Amino acid sequence: DTGVSQNPRHKITKRGQNVTFRCDPISEHNRLYWYRQTLGQGPEFLTYFQNEAQLEKSRLLSDRFSAERPKGSFSTLEIQRTEQGDSAMYLCASSSNTNTGELFFGEGSRLTVL
Amino acid sequence: GIQVEQSPPDLILQEGANSTLRCNFSDSVNNLQWFHQNPWGQLINLFYIPSGTKQNGRLSATTVATERYSLLYISSSQTTDSGVYFCAVVLPNTGGFKTIFGAGTRLFVKA
Repeated sequence: DTGVSQNPRHKITKRGQNVTFRCDPISEHNRLYWYRQTLGQGPEFLTYFQNEAQLEKSRLLSDRFSAERPKGSFSTLEIQRTEQGDSAMYLCASSSNTNTGELFFGEGSRLTVL
Repeated sequence: GIQVEQSPPDLILQEGANSTLRCNFSDSVNNLQWFHQNPWGQLINLFYIPSGTKQNGRLSATTVATERYSLLYISSSQTTDSGVYFCAVVLPNTGGFKTIFGAGTRLFVKA
């Protein structure tokens, strides 16, 4: 399977704990994106990498959130000191390096903070 | 910023019926995609359609970029078509990375 892969698919944690999600993009894609989706809403942009460089971060990404793509391949999204408001689906997407940006999404990681 | 509006917000169909979903956007865009979000949450690519018309089986899409709208047609709907349909636009002058989603159309197809 050469699609975008995310894990874990589901994570239940207690408030105040740290969580980390991983995304493996389509292998030839050098652009990687994180989105967050809450119930009843469309996905909202969080951050974007081109290769290993994080080029854009949304103001939705508070200082408790950090994303990395150390070797320009997989990426991690860490949330520290989780809050109940962090409960959401975290979606990863990748695209090739064109100006038209067709996105391909993974299956998502659903976070529930108790 | 750009506004992406989808209509209707909710739609209930009897199996076999046809439907049209609409996406309006408030400014020029570099591209437009339609997605179907399945019950497990995954976004499935339906169409990548900056302009013109494309067809894939029972689905087709038309984008009229000059008038800032796109339409998704579903013919002979099936229960497996249920889910949320999103329109997403790529903003110009962002190097192709900034994609904004509409709020979606929630479709339920009754057997």
